[in-house]
Amino acid sequence: QTVVTQEPSFSVSPGGTVTLTCGMTSGSVSSSYYPSWYQQTPGQAPRTLIYTTNTRSSGVPDRFSGSILGNKAALTITGAQADDECDYYCVLYMGSGISVFGGGTKLTVL
Amino acid sequence: EVQLLESGGGLVQPGGSLRLSCAASGFTFSTSVMSWVRQAPGKGLEWVSTFSGSSGNTYYADSVKGRFTISRDNSKNTLYLQMNSLRAEDSAEYYCAKRLGGGLYSFEIWGQGTMVTVSS
Repeated sequence: QTVVTQEPSFSVSPGGTVTLTCGMTSGSVSSSYYPSWYQQTPGQAPRTLIYTTNTRSSGVPDRFSGSILGNKAALTITGAQADDECDYYCVLYMGSGISVFGGGTKLTVL
Repeated sequence: EVQLLESGGGLVQPGGSLRLSCAASGFTFSTSVMSWVRQAPGKGLEWVSTFSGSSGNTYYADSVKGRFTISRDNSKNTLYLQMNSLRAEDSAEYYCAKRLGGGLYSFEIWGQGTMVTVSS
């Protein structure tokens, strides 16, 4: 069974740029997996950031962008702010109605 | 305003059953694809099940297949998750989510969640 992989943790300086990735233990991620990204602060419901690789959800600032980098999906945050410090999850669509979440990345802004 | 409101969570013994509900408002529920996603305490998100809007197809994660049943009542704009043979590892916050654009690919709107605890 394919596992979706994310960096467990990442750190970025305020104002800096960070790229989080979303891969698979078997194979390469492409737009055919319709990668999407979600932000979650502790105790809160997830918030949709990016869908179908690179489309920002309504109200999401353009500091957040999605792409495919090599064999992984990527979420890039530019001009990192203190309230970007939270958990980020990617989801890949595996076909046949099956969606798989990555394990999540805990982003620290310091 | 688009809104999803879950209810029905609580404490249940191992082997027991529970039915979660998700009341939807602010969008055309009958044609929307809806899902349940859960999150165990301190853990990541896990997709549980999806009910397609128009086709009526249902999909389940292997971890719940045969134990959980997703259903909907379009007249009440409500999504359900019937959970049987519950195990300790089913303990989690359960989120209802609307899929984007009637498809199966991405989640668009999330509810606030309802907590399920399976313990004796």
